[in-house]
Amino acid sequence: TQLLEQSPQFLSIQEGENLTVYCNSSSVFSSLQWYRQEPGEGPVLLVTVVTGGEVKKLKRLTFQFGDARKDSSLHITAAQPGDTGLYLCAGARPGGGNKLTFGTGTQLKVEL
Amino acid sequence: GAVVSQHPSRVICKSGTSVKIECRSLDFQATTMFWYRQFPKQSLMLMATSNEGSKATYEQGVEKDKFLINHASLTLSTLTVTSAHPEDSSFYICSASTGGDGVEQYFGPGTRLTVT
Repeated sequence: TQLLEQSPQFLSIQEGENLTVYCNSSSVFSSLQWYRQEPGEGPVLLVTVVTGGEVKKLKRLTFQFGDARKDSSLHITAAQPGDTGLYLCAGARPGGGNKLTFGTGTQLKVEL
Repeated sequence: GAVVSQHPSRVICKSGTSVKIECRSLDFQATTMFWYRQFPKQSLMLMATSNEGSKATYEQGVEKDKFLINHASLTLSTLTVTSAHPEDSSFYICSASTGGDGVEQYFGPGTRLTVT
């Protein structure tokens, strides 16, 4: 059973467009992280959200943690080709130490 | 800081042979290391969690006799794929952390295993 479902699974957009990626679960997480991964490389941490309702911004990326700490979203404004990659959310369950459950992934392609 | 390396980055082996992958934390002591497997265009699937000096904890469905994990020091964990078969071909990624709730995992660059 996949605890974290991401949508959409694939997304192909033009440069300059905005997009939102969703990460949903029926389980509560003590923290949730977003990663970007490029082919043949390990995932790179973008942000960690901990508090329900928390919003964090990283340049053109805005991350939100749901009030109930069961879901999260990633919004990218004015996407650029450099944003292309696999975006992964990952959650840490309460009492699970720092063991992570990864989401199903969203493959983003931004074209000129 | 917080750099994790993996060696080799790519390996090709013949069916039936064993392959060892190393994961090293270069600038910190990793109490806990994690091993993941990733198929093309898919997410990371946790295989096992290893704590220094103790036996690894394997996720459901992962054969512990096939994927041998050793975490003999605070900076090194190894994953040995024994009697490899083509279906073991995958991207293997390790991560390392100092352990504990809410502590960040630092990911290695991954190892591409191809079994012919």
